[in-house]
Amino acid sequence: GENVEQHPSTLSVQEGDSAVIKCTYSDSASNYFPWYKQELGKRPQLIIDIRSNVGEKKDQRIAVTLNKTAKHFSLHITETQPEDSAVYFCAASRRRQGGNQFYFGTGTSLTVIP
Amino acid sequence: GAVVSQHPSRVICKSGTSVKIECRSLDFQATTMFWYRQFPKQSLMLMATSNEGSKATYEQGVEKDKFLINHASLTLSTLTVTSAHPEDSSFYICSAPTEATQYFGPGTRLLVL
Repeated sequence: GENVEQHPSTLSVQEGDSAVIKCTYSDSASNYFPWYKQELGKRPQLIIDIRSNVGEKKDQRIAVTLNKTAKHFSLHITETQPEDSAVYFCAASRRRQGGNQFYFGTGTSLTVIP
Repeated sequence: GAVVSQHPSRVICKSGTSVKIECRSLDFQATTMFWYRQFPKQSLMLMATSNEGSKATYEQGVEKDKFLINHASLTLSTLTVTSAHPEDSSFYICSAPTEATQYFGPGTRLLVL
């Protein structure tokens, strides 16, 4: 099955700096890579995703890059703000009948210091 | 995006009782739903895949007789924790996939005393 690794497990940055979280996956058949933000006690919220036919995707201060050859993808948050503090999860999946099954990374706890 | 609801949001029960958690897709149909368990400061662990009209598929190490799953309709899946014990205390989250991605319910915090 798929194995997703995520680093770092914790990350502290000063407000305004950039944050980068990296994930690797093992199954070359995986073709969809979402990133989720989870605040304490709440549901994971999709913040950005990328499909295997794209190398980079950007949405305002958030960007994701994908290297299919190396089987790794990264989340980049620029101009960080205190409200970006949360736990971030990457996931890898591939389409299956009935819906994609996600394999999650272990999470990164991001703290943005005002 | 699509909306998934989950009920109850939190429940406290005595050891030995059973607890039912409902997961509903409110504005779309889902032939498949997923149930996750999350311990504090840890990732989401997939417990089982709920399949409408057929048996659930359980991940390795998850007891099917302990965690009963029923996918009664295209918009409802239920997870019943039978004979709950304190070690079953956790945050349980369901999700339902669309063609594009998965949408998560708000989660149920279970505390077994």
